[in-house]
Amino acid sequence: AQTVTQSQPEMSVQEAETVTLSCTYDTSENNYYLFWYKQPPSRQMILVIRQEAYKQQNATENRFSVNFQKAAKSFSLKISDSQLGDTAMYFCAFMRRSNYQLIWGAGTKLIIKP
Amino acid sequence: DAGVIQSPRHEVTEMGQEVTLRCKPISGHNSLFWYRQTMMRGLELLIYFNNNVPIDDSGMPEDRFSAKMPNASFSTLKIQPSEPRDSAVYFCASSFNTDTQYFGPGTRLTVL
Repeated sequence: AQTVTQSQPEMSVQEAETVTLSCTYDTSENNYYLFWYKQPPSRQMILVIRQEAYKQQNATENRFSVNFQKAAKSFSLKISDSQLGDTAMYFCAFMRRSNYQLIWGAGTKLIIKP
Repeated sequence: DAGVIQSPRHEVTEMGQEVTLRCKPISGHNSLFWYRQTMMRGLELLIYFNNNVPIDDSGMPEDRFSAKMPNASFSTLKIQPSEPRDSAVYFCASSFNTDTQYFGPGTRLTVL
């Protein structure tokens, strides 16, 4: 069975700093997706970034980038130049290709301080 | 492009009443998911539709819950009768086949 672990329940940084959120997963699959979603106080679940396991290149979306280490089963999220609006819960999630079930981590609460 | 649309955004009802939550998926998506999020249990998948057909309803808590998808652009989740323990945020999400799921804004349900 697949599992996703986020070892940091809560983090806080100053505005404009860079922060890295950790995620590890366990699977015997070779073909899968990894995602980071954010959930701000509004409770909406927003896709931040997606990585396909077969791609070597790390995904980036503006200030958000990942460090995908397939052999180590690690998928960390780096937020550069953090902004107050980045304050949210961040969830790491795993999904096998050709399957629909998202396996979720417990989440990391990120607070950006002014 | 419009994202996933859910209504209502907030619902407050009394125990025993029927509650209907609505969802319009992203145009062109053929998979639709209903989730429930609580502090205690996190995010749970309730039911998954593909091409308007329910594929997996194993997460539906009990017979009080039912979901329908009469066409590709509309789905409902009904709770009848509602109970206080049903209080949660209910999300609808859609995707194209088993690709990335995009979530709606959620419906915050409070059952008194």
